[in-house]
Amino acid sequence: QKEVEQNSGPLSVPEGAIASLNCTYSDRGSQSFFWYRQYSGKSPELIMFIYSNGDKEDGRFTAQLNKASQYVSLLIRDSQPSDSATYLCAVHQTGANNLFFGTGTRLTVIP
Amino acid sequence: ETGVTQTPRHLVMGMTNKKSLKCEQHLGHNAMYWYKQSAKKPLELMFVYNFKEQTENNSVPSRFSPECPNSSHLFLHLHTLQPEDSALYLCASSQKLAGGQIGETQYFGPGTRLLVL
Repeated sequence: QKEVEQNSGPLSVPEGAIASLNCTYSDRGSQSFFWYRQYSGKSPELIMFIYSNGDKEDGRFTAQLNKASQYVSLLIRDSQPSDSATYLCAVHQTGANNLFFGTGTRLTVIP
Repeated sequence: ETGVTQTPRHLVMGMTNKKSLKCEQHLGHNAMYWYKQSAKKPLELMFVYNFKEQTENNSVPSRFSPECPNSSHLFLHLHTLQPEDSALYLCASSQKLAGGQIGETQYFGPGTRLLVL
């Protein structure tokens, strides 16, 4: 069983729409959750992290965490072509020395 | 850009060559990581160093040899690699909190794109 699962996409949304990216994880004891954005040929850059159940908003980005269902999502409002990238979900398990990454979801925002 | 730098950015090597990848972090962090990223696969953790001590080695072949002389520098020495080792090699750093738990945000360098012929 994969530690962190994401739909690989590609996910296509029109400019101005809401993009919804989902991630599920297997370790119920996980405590920290991260979303990274990776442009083609570049390294991952941190967008948001979330520790508590519920929503966390930062500009056009909202992270949602539901520990009971073991999923975390990222909403991008008013999507822009510049948001086109691969979005990586990462989970920090209790006692682990590292993050576990999903394979990423490729998002394309169509002008 | 980020406070983590990597050199070289691109590397082509033959299977008999020896080369080294270098990573330097300017963020004052106490943990550093090597990851391998291949197409259509999740980031694969290779090595973790906490305060210069190696704490993780995820069954990485011995043709990859890490070195961490201090908490700001990390090397990956490469020797007799195989074509399937061609990938993007990413270095990251983080600040481990007491107990190494919540709060660990990793920051990545730009990566070294490696091609083994």
